[in-house]
Amino acid sequence: QSALTQPASVSGSPGQSITISCTGTSSDVGAYKFVSWYQHYPGKAPKVMIYDVSIRPSGVSNRFSGSKSGNTASLTISGLQAEDEADYYCVSYTGSRYVFGTGTKVTVL
Amino acid sequence: QVQLQQSGPGLVKPSQTLSLTCGISGDSVSSNGAAWDWIRQSPSRGLEWLGRTYYRSRWYNEYAVSVEGRITITPDTSKNQFSLQLNSVTPEDTALYHCARDLGYLESWGQGILVTVSS
Repeated sequence: QSALTQPASVSGSPGQSITISCTGTSSDVGAYKFVSWYQHYPGKAPKVMIYDVSIRPSGVSNRFSGSKSGNTASLTISGLQAEDEADYYCVSYTGSRYVFGTGTKVTVL
Repeated sequence: QVQLQQSGPGLVKPSQTLSLTCGISGDSVSSNGAAWDWIRQSPSRGLEWLGRTYYRSRWYNEYAVSVEGRITITPDTSKNQFSLQLNSVTPEDTALYHCARDLGYLESWGQGILVTVSS
């Protein structure tokens, strides 16, 4: 099972919107609604930001949104803030396993 | 609020078995609504899902292809915990190992435990 493909880095200025893509195949991202996104600060436990493609857990800012088209899922962060600078990973269910994305480092300029 | 705590040795010799335990508070390892996962992180591989165990009238296990054949995840209902065993380790298995509660997504994570494979 190959890792899902994410851009290595994405950057934006405070207040801007950025989008992180997560490309898989018709056997994972394209097949299931079970795509989730995680924010990870070094040395801390990852935190779920989006699950089931577009659902935001309680307590997560509405600046975070998710979507999917075909074999590609996307995470959009609007109104970018300094605290959003972190690594972001997507995860997809594959029918019997999970597969992580390669990870994207978000930099706030 | 569920809390997860990993424990186990931080140093394992090559070819030996890595054994970790994840203690659960605030939920049950036998919960019909959750699964219990192991994930690791390393600079070279990023985050990597290893496998999970869950109970739905009987116990199920699912494992990543990358470690299948070397991995066993076992629930312990008497102690409300689950464990990870990874056999025949190499330096490539050096990583920060996390356990997590899985509700169809990885909802709660332990802080992680660093395991180094070295002689």
